[in-house]
Amino acid sequence: EDQVTQSPEALRLQEGESSSLNCSYTVSGLRGLFWYRQDPGKGPEFLFTLYSAGEEKEKERLKATLTKKESFLHITAPKPEDSATYLCAVQDANYGQNFVFGPGTRLSVLP
Amino acid sequence: KAGVTQTPRYLIKTRGQQVTLSCSPISGHRSVSWYQQTPGQGLQFLFEYFSETQRNKGNFPGRFSGRQFSNSRSEMNVSTLELGDSALYLCASSKGPRGSTDTQYFGPGTRLTVL
Repeated sequence: EDQVTQSPEALRLQEGESSSLNCSYTVSGLRGLFWYRQDPGKGPEFLFTLYSAGEEKEKERLKATLTKKESFLHITAPKPEDSATYLCAVQDANYGQNFVFGPGTRLSVLP
Repeated sequence: KAGVTQTPRYLIKTRGQQVTLSCSPISGHRSVSWYQQTPGQGLQFLFEYFSETQRNKGNFPGRFSGRQFSNSRSEMNVSTLELGDSALYLCASSKGPRGSTDTQYFGPGTRLTVL
């Protein structure tokens, strides 16, 4: 059974204090790993898609990396507007319609 | 380019009633997936429609149903509402079916409260 876990559950940072969020997954074969950002009461906003181990993608202060068992979302010098819940999801290559979300990491960046 | 739209944004119903939610995908997108999000269970997949056909269904009771129209707009229906159905219902659209690598883009959601 496909599983996705995320850690930590919640993270509080000071503005400018860099850190990383973890997404660990178990799938029979990875078709893609997706990162989303979700603000309270809103739908998830797409950030990145990673397809193979070693791949990296960047967008402003965010950088996503992928290994065979986990993905990291690195946040460099965060600002208060980066506060949100970050979700990762995996798509199983062998069960192509299976798209499983992790529980999310709730990030708070204090000014 | 307009994003995914969902109506209504907020809904309050009582137990036993039924409800219909609507989703308009991004122009050109043919796949619509529905998810239920609750604080305890997170995002859970309900079902996916592609070209008016239901391609896959999550582990939800038959009270949850949906359909897709020829213009790719989709509706989701929940009959005989229960208190536990209170949730944020999210719609996501993509160009191809969920079996492809196309990214899913989410709408703002419909907040359903069952009293």
